[in-house]
Amino acid sequence: KQEVTQIPAALSVPEGENLVLNCSFTDSAIYNLQWFRQDPGKGLTSLLLIQSSQREQTSGRLNASLDKSSGRSTLYIAASQPGDSATYLCAVRRISGAGSYQLTFGKGTKLSVIP
Amino acid sequence: SAVISQKPSRDICQRGTSLTIQCQVDSQVTMMFWYRQQPGQSLTLIATANQGSEATYESGFVIDKFPISRPNLTFSTLTVSNMSPEDSSIYLCSVTKPRWVQGPTDTQYFGPGTRLTVL
Repeated sequence: KQEVTQIPAALSVPEGENLVLNCSFTDSAIYNLQWFRQDPGKGLTSLLLIQSSQREQTSGRLNASLDKSSGRSTLYIAASQPGDSATYLCAVRRISGAGSYQLTFGKGTKLSVIP
Repeated sequence: SAVISQKPSRDICQRGTSLTIQCQVDSQVTMMFWYRQQPGQSLTLIATANQGSEATYESGFVIDKFPISRPNLTFSTLTVSNMSPEDSSIYLCSVTKPRWVQGPTDTQYFGPGTRLTVL
């Protein structure tokens, strides 16, 4: 059974600092990995998706890396801003035996960027 | 991307009653899913909503408790039946779009969620 762990559970940084969020997963047979952002009381916003054959993806100040063999992914946020404050979720997808695509989520890292 | 709306956005219900949550997507999608996010927990897949046939439920979830409908490609409902306080959660609808629209990435999009409190 796939398990996804995110460390740390919470992180507080001053504005402008660069930071790294970590995600690990137990089963390396993944189809892809997706990073989401969840604001309080809101749904999830997709940030980046990395296919299993890729090593990293970039979007603006965000860079996500994937090391499938070691079961790890990182989300790097450059020059953090107060608007980046949210919970960041990591999710991996594997193809189930039935052929459906199932996402397994971590519990998230709650990020607070202090002005 | 996909624009997904859910109704209601939140509700407070009495034990033993049922609530139906609606999910509407702005364009054609391939797969629709329902997730649950209990307080302090990660998201858990309840079921895959299949158009015109019975939903596919994950381990620990049954049709009698969480009946699901998907009458067309852009709409689905989830009912939480005979509710108890343990059903208090955020329920989220999620979709993937056809590959001829978004390419082979299978990015998954989520609705804003329905926050349910059962007293």
